[in-house]
Amino acid sequence: GAVVSQHPSRVICKSGTSVKIECRSLDFQATTMFWYRQFPKQSLMLMATSNEGSKATYEQGVEKDKFLINHASLTLSTLTVTSAHPEDSSFYICSADRLGQGPENTEAFFGQGTRLTVV
Amino acid sequence: SQKIEQNSEALNIQEGKTATLTCNYTNYSPAYLQWYRQDPGRGPVFLLLIRENEKEKRKERLKVTFDTTLKQSLFHITASQPADSATYLCALAKAAGNKLTFGGGTRVLVKP
Repeated sequence: GAVVSQHPSRVICKSGTSVKIECRSLDFQATTMFWYRQFPKQSLMLMATSNEGSKATYEQGVEKDKFLINHASLTLSTLTVTSAHPEDSSFYICSADRLGQGPENTEAFFGQGTRLTVV
Repeated sequence: SQKIEQNSEALNIQEGKTATLTCNYTNYSPAYLQWYRQDPGRGPVFLLLIRENEKEKRKERLKVTFDTTLKQSLFHITASQPADSATYLCALAKAAGNKLTFGGGTRVLVKP
């Protein structure tokens, strides 16, 4: 099956610092990756769509200068939370669409998530 | 605005019984509706997908129905087991490979 790996799984950082989260598709190529944020007892909220070789598309209300996304290859997308504040503490999850998957295979493959705590 | 609603109250059910979860949506015309399972501290795992022109889909002990007139999907877990305890999320997409919009999820607790 398709595997998406996120790193790190947990990170604690000081307020004002930046944190980078990696999302890798291990056994397939992903033209599109999605970044979600999930607060406790809430559902996943899409932050941005990351396309390989082009600029990410951000959802309304998500600051592109704060959440930097780089999709440099078909197997790696990174999310950098810049100048993190305690309110950025959340569970960040990525998902990937497999290159070439047709209408019969539209499921999303999710990473295991990254728990960010800003102190 | 688009809304996807799932019962936010936890569903407590006895082992062996059938759990039925509801997903209702408004102001949306999805081409695909998907169900995911999420365990605490983990990312969602895909379970089933149903298309707008399909009424029902089954996979082992799982069954999904999709009523585009009622704008509702039902998700059934038959012969439930304690290992089925998790949060179940419904998600809608307008096209293949498109971004997903998730409901709030329903927590299921299966008691032995």
